[in-house]
Amino acid sequence: DIVMTQSPDSLALSLGERATINCRTGQSVLYRSSKKNYLAWYQQKPGQPPKLLLHWASTRESGVPDRFSGSGSGTDFTLTINNLQAEDVAVYYCQQYYTISRTFGQGTRVEIK
Amino acid sequence: EVQLVESGGGLVQPGGSLRLSCAASGFTVSGSYMSWVRQAPGKGLDWVSILYTTGTTYYTDSVKGRFTVSRDDSKNTLHLQMNSLRVEDTATYYCARGRDLYGDYPTWGQGTLVTVSS
Repeated sequence: DIVMTQSPDSLALSLGERATINCRTGQSVLYRSSKKNYLAWYQQKPGQPPKLLLHWASTRESGVPDRFSGSGSGTDFTLTINNLQAEDVAVYYCQQYYTISRTFGQGTRVEIK
Repeated sequence: EVQLVESGGGLVQPGGSLRLSCAASGFTVSGSYMSWVRQAPGKGLDWVSILYTTGTTYYTDSVKGRFTVSRDDSKNTLHLQMNSLRVEDTATYYCARGRDLYGDYPTWGQGTLVTVSS
């Protein structure tokens, strides 16, 4: 299985600040022939299922605010939340779907200071 | 509207069995790549299994030989038969629809809680 490591485990920021969450994969999730990174980002609020934010590392799902953006390639990826809002308080997970066994990072908790 | 609704969770003793169901609407389970993902209380997400449109199944190592994923096309429902349950299987179990064969999960159910305890 591909090991997924997120950093930091948690962060507390003020409203309007930028949140940066990192995800490192144990092996490259870049499929060379398609030049696509098989990596997704999810948001999970308390008592709710995960919600898909981004796939192919940087493609936003319909309805996801453009303050959420993704970057990176190969083994190192970043989720950036610009202009942090109160409704962004949640746990964020990265997930690889390069292999059949789709592993997740351990999660990063984002709170408002 | 695409929707998934899980049921069947509950309290079971170690060594017992439980069958989870995931009723789908707005799409066909048989034409989709369906997975189970679990989340232990206060912990992260843990991929459990996948059922391909072909009927091929895959499982995470910790549940191989104990869990079986299947579908009932007539009821458009996904199932997870869980046998020989262990305390460490305690979790909320989500069913999720994959975007495609190698896809992520745009659609999730609300989850059903399984508690394994004596």
